[in-house]
Amino acid sequence: QKEVEQNSGPLSVPEGAIASLNCTYSDRGSQSFFWYRQYSGKSPELIMFIYSNGDKEDGRFTAQLNKASQYVSLLIRDSQPSDSATYLCAVNANSNYQLIWGAGTKLIIKP
Amino acid sequence: NAGVTQTPKFQVLKTGQSMTLQCAQDMNHNSMYWYRQDPGMGLRLIYYSASEGTTDKGEVPNGYNVSRLNKREFSLRLESAAPSQTSVYFCASSEFPTSGYEQYFGPGTRLTVT
Repeated sequence: QKEVEQNSGPLSVPEGAIASLNCTYSDRGSQSFFWYRQYSGKSPELIMFIYSNGDKEDGRFTAQLNKASQYVSLLIRDSQPSDSATYLCAVNANSNYQLIWGAGTKLIIKP
Repeated sequence: NAGVTQTPKFQVLKTGQSMTLQCAQDMNHNSMYWYRQDPGMGLRLIYYSASEGTTDKGEVPNGYNVSRLNKREFSLRLESAAPSQTSVYFCASSEFPTSGYEQYFGPGTRLTVT
């Protein structure tokens, strides 16, 4: 069964520090990787996607992909209290329309 | 451009009642999805529609039916609600297969079945 694993947390990080969120996946055929942010009581919001090995930067966010080790990570630099949320990792299910979702990591940024 | 809209936002049903959750997208996306989210369980796919006129079961389809009315609209029906269907329901859409797999979500419907 194809799986995406995340540490449920909570992960507590001081304001201004780097938050590091990790995700592992089981399907070696996966090619597209996504990070969503979900505030309490709200819907998931796409913040990053990555298709190639290596790093992809967007503002304070960096997604890192290592297909050989089957993990993808999200770094948040200069963490702000507004970054406190649950972060969901999603991976495409090879050759079909579905995304496979992790259960999410709860991130708390402490002022 | 409203993105993905869902109605209603909240609903309370008694066991055995039926209801339909409505979803519409204005992004001209091909694929649409219905998920449920329970505490600690993450998102679970109920049904999806790859294109107008087609629907397929996801991970947890029992107790639900769907209709892809046209390219914009995808509805989810509970024929006889059960307390186990108390959850938050999200509709999502995607450009796939025209473009990437990324999905965009509606605001959700909070359903309580008593």
